[in-house]
Amino acid sequence: DADVTQTPRNRITKTGKRIMLECSQTKGHDRMYWYRQDPGLGLRLIYYSFDVKDINKGEISDGYSVSRQAQAKFSLSLESAIPNQTALYFCATSEWAGEYNEQFFGPGTRLTVL
Amino acid sequence: DQQVKQNSPSLSVQEGRISILNCDYTNSMFDYFLWYKKYPAEGPTFLISISSIKDKNEDGRFTVFLNKSAKHLSLHIVPSQPGDSAVYFCAGYNFNKFYFGSGTKLNVKP
Repeated sequence: DADVTQTPRNRITKTGKRIMLECSQTKGHDRMYWYRQDPGLGLRLIYYSFDVKDINKGEISDGYSVSRQAQAKFSLSLESAIPNQTALYFCATSEWAGEYNEQFFGPGTRLTVL
Repeated sequence: DQQVKQNSPSLSVQEGRISILNCDYTNSMFDYFLWYKKYPAEGPTFLISISSIKDKNEDGRFTVFLNKSAKHLSLHIVPSQPGDSAVYFCAGYNFNKFYFGSGTKLNVKP
């Protein structure tokens, strides 16, 4: 079984709808992240959390919100989806590996906003 | 403004030859750098890292070089194999955040 899972894997929605993307992990890591990937721009950080009481904005948090329901669960919400939020979304966890923080990514959620 | 840049969107190499993927950065405060590999329909997976105080790190066929004066790092894959065909992202880490480049798609031809 995958250590970091994301649901749904694909979603098509309409402008103005509320959408929630869910992420679960079995790695026992405290740190979790949400990124979006756009062609030509790589991965950009939306939000990150270092424990259930700690939520931090990333580079591009406008239009998004998150909830850390438990150590293992970190959800990303789009309150009112717009077409330029069409992207591939990745959840990740991380742990300290000695000299660096190693990240572990989920398989991604492809979101299309019409 | 992107702090990490990968200016080559794609690279094609013959099997058995060397692949060199390049990355430039603007933030001199990065603590370390990482390379990730991504196959289609999967999330990125960690490949190799290098501390900002080192200039080389090697792991099997993969070597990363860091040139701090030029703010440039490169990933060398020797010898390249068809299974190495993927998108490669470099990333810098500073103050609890990772900053990613746009990726380079490597195609290793048999």
